[in-house]
Amino acid sequence: AAGVIQSPRHLIKEKRETATLKCYPIPRHDTVYWYQQGPGQDPQFLISFYEKMQSDKGSIPDRFSAQQFSDYHSELNMSSLELGDSALYFCASSFKGESSYEQYFGPGTRLTVT
Amino acid sequence: SQQGEEDPQALSIQEGENATMNCSYKTSINNLQWYRQNSGRGLVHLILIRSNEREKHSGRLRVTLDTSKKSSSLLITASRAADTASYFCATDGDNFNKFYFGSGTKLNVKP
Repeated sequence: AAGVIQSPRHLIKEKRETATLKCYPIPRHDTVYWYQQGPGQDPQFLISFYEKMQSDKGSIPDRFSAQQFSDYHSELNMSSLELGDSALYFCASSFKGESSYEQYFGPGTRLTVT
Repeated sequence: SQQGEEDPQALSIQEGENATMNCSYKTSINNLQWYRQNSGRGLVHLILIRSNEREKHSGRLRVTLDTSKKSSSLLITASRAADTASYFCATDGDNFNKFYFGSGTKLNVKP
């Protein structure tokens, strides 16, 4: 079965640079969530989209922005990168047409800021 | 964490033994989900239990939910070395637009 796809899988950037992470949800899924997981930490919710509209926002820095496109893929744009942005970034998707709202996670993008 | 605590934080058992992990949360929920994560890897969805369910089984996994105590437990029976991973619970608070994770239990199953 198709899973959530994230690209790139690994990304190395320098401080103050910009990074763009991409997420392709499971076909038919209409909701995308972004999470950040620092080393040894639990995943922290950043932002979510439903039907291309932002549906909720968590602890996402103002330097980050995200959007969901007409094909339901989503991009997380991160500017003025800081060392503390080094983390695993997960995208998850779900289908709100189902009552269970099971979230399925992608493999993550490991961002290293040097 | 954003939602609650899991205990124990770390658990080390022998292969064949049962492992029980607990999760507590703070707000009312619609669903609670359990995930497994191998070190530095993605989160694998294990099981979802709805707020109106008390127990759910999937293979060697058994999940219970006590909404009055705002807690859930994950039992892995007859553990295997391959079960070694971190286990997280995630709740949706009272909306489906974001999910909160517990701090996770790191399980080590010794062969």
